[in-house]
Amino acid sequence: EDQVTQSPEALRLQEGESSSLNCSYTVSGLRGLFWYRQDPGKGPEFLFTLYSAGEEKEKERLKATLTKKESFLHITAPKPEDSATYLCAVQVNDYKLSFGAGTTVTVRA
Amino acid sequence: DSGVTQTPKHLITATGQRVTLRCSPRSGDLSVYWYQQSLDQGLQFLIQYYNGEERAKGNILERFSAQQFPDLHSELNLSSLELGDSALYFCASSSGGAVTDTQYFGPGTRLTVL
Repeated sequence: EDQVTQSPEALRLQEGESSSLNCSYTVSGLRGLFWYRQDPGKGPEFLFTLYSAGEEKEKERLKATLTKKESFLHITAPKPEDSATYLCAVQVNDYKLSFGAGTTVTVRA
Repeated sequence: DSGVTQTPKHLITATGQRVTLRCSPRSGDLSVYWYQQSLDQGLQFLIQYYNGEERAKGNILERFSAQQFPDLHSELNLSSLELGDSALYFCASSSGGAVTDTQYFGPGTRLTVL
């Protein structure tokens, strides 16, 4: 059973072209939703944790928001260095995170 | 640099063999998590250790085992290797035992089974 679905699978942006990534989840009683960035051949790098609907967090050009059924990662005026795969994960029980397949973002100069 | 180290970086071996992957957590972190990442399965949680004790199990095969030593480094042992075990294996560490604690990932070990 898919608990975390990310869309789109891939996103190609022009530098400065803002866009949003979606992470929808089916876990009931969400206790935590996490966003990670992963560069090719490297380990995921933690970005944000969101706990409740309505919560928002920002870091540089990235802003994560959370509703009762999904989370969005907004990229404002992206730069080529924002190119990466963005992973979303949800807490499914006391001990486990379930990761989505990721959205690969490519930003062209 | 997350502060988590993994060795080796690359490993090439044959089917049926056994390998050991090593992870050193960030200084002060008590939890170690192991994940497998393949193209078709994405990032899959395998197992968690907290301060030397097994805390949680995920999709870990019986051919795989892990342990955490008194100095808190961890090893993941993979035996009777199959072609399908080829993947990136990541270790992550966190300060506490709760899954909501921020996990810091190492650079990974790329395993190729021929």
